Amino acid sequence: DSGVTQTPKHLITATGQRVTLRCSPRSGDLSVYWYQQSLDQGLQFLIQYYNGEERAKGNILERFSAQQFPDLHSELNLSSLELGDSALYFCASSEQGRGEQYFGPGTRLTVT
Amino acid sequence: GDSVTQMEGPVTLSEEAFLTINCTYTATGYPSLFWYVQYPGEGLQLLLKATKADDKGSNKGFEATYRKETTSFHLEKGSVQVSDSAVYFCALNSGGSNYKLTFGKGTLLTVNP
Repeated sequence: DSGVTQTPKHLITATGQRVTLRCSPRSGDLSVYWYQQSLDQGLQFLIQYYNGEERAKGNILERFSAQQFPDLHSELNLSSLELGDSALYFCASSEQGRGEQYFGPGTRLTVT
Repeated sequence: GDSVTQMEGPVTLSEEAFLTINCTYTATGYPSLFWYVQYPGEGLQLLLKATKADDKGSNKGFEATYRKETTSFHLEKGSVQVSDSAVYFCALNSGGSNYKLTFGKGTLLTVNP
């Protein structure tokens, strides 16, 4: 158990809909990262937050957004969903200044 | 930009065989290097890491040495077990203010009894 929690574990929704994925980092970790894992693209970095502020953006679509709250949990919002958004979404956390990241169990999103 | 290339699988071995999964990288500066493992239906677990040249990371019988001259970080294990069956990912981050991980495509390892 990494100490990172993610909810929900599975999510099935229709095209055009909006969903919110939730992540709670390990105790004491200030940085949260979101990654998308798909068969064709592999593991891709989406976005990083540090202590409530956006720190870096990767291959994140404009339809996607995220935030980190004062209690350090984070939410990833995906809107106007398309079939191609079906993937595993992982959250990871780290203690700022150290390289290793600890991953949650992921949320499997299926868009039908 | 940063990139990681690892040998494509799948790799199928018999129990107690020797394992090598090759990983090479391209990065600016002096990245930290990692191996993560993903068991079926689970998230990624950090297996080992190395933060500077010639460092050897090790865990659970797995080892990898940070080779700056060949920009490589190959994963090895002397005797694999059925329970080692999983997908293995090589990854790096270049540090600075952004610690995002850049991953290889993953290598599926199957160990047969």
